[in-house]
Amino acid sequence: GAVVSQHPSWVICKSGTSVKIECRSLDFQATTMFWYRQFPKQSLMLMATSNEGSKATYEQGVEKDKFLINHASLTLSTLTVTSAHPEDSSFYICSPVGSAGGTEAFFGQGTRLTVV
Amino acid sequence: AQTVTQSQPEMSVQEAETVTLSCTYDTSESDYYLFWYKQPPSRQMILVIRQEAYKQQNATENRFSVNFQKAAKSFSLKISDSQLGDAATYFCAYRANYGQNFVFGPGTRLSVLP
Repeated sequence: GAVVSQHPSWVICKSGTSVKIECRSLDFQATTMFWYRQFPKQSLMLMATSNEGSKATYEQGVEKDKFLINHASLTLSTLTVTSAHPEDSSFYICSPVGSAGGTEAFFGQGTRLTVV
Repeated sequence: AQTVTQSQPEMSVQEAETVTLSCTYDTSESDYYLFWYKQPPSRQMILVIRQEAYKQQNATENRFSVNFQKAAKSFSLKISDSQLGDAATYFCAYRANYGQNFVFGPGTRLSVLP
């Protein structure tokens, strides 16, 4: 299967600071990137969808000015949590999709964010 | 909008026994994909099995098999000869097509008892 590298795997930050999460597709070109969020003991919920070179599309209830997504290349997408608050503490997972087709899907290892 | 329901928040099974996890979904599409993902404590999403809706034959992967009932919109997962390493949270997921996002169910936490 394809390799997806997401880092950091965990991060602790102070309230009001910003945190950047990187997601790289190492052996295929990710034309689309899905970002999911998972609160403790809950399911994965889609936050936003980005296409390479375009602005991201955010799901209802997700603040686009708070969760900045950059998808400037076919192998790298970043999610920046700006002015983080304790309620942003969660597990964030990226899922890149390539243009080659098929039914397989790939996920990053996830980033556990704790805001103190 | 598509929704996925898993009615069993937690289940347990004795080692070497068989367990079935339930999943129902709602969609107006005729062609789509269904998946079962496993999330162990590491929280890495691991694909267990997938089913294309246009295929009538139920998918199987070693000890894992599904019962896909398209008319009933049901997609259950059977784990045979359960092993301690099967303990995890299992998510049923729907995907309209390759380029679309997943819609996940709420998950079923499976414990395997020695």
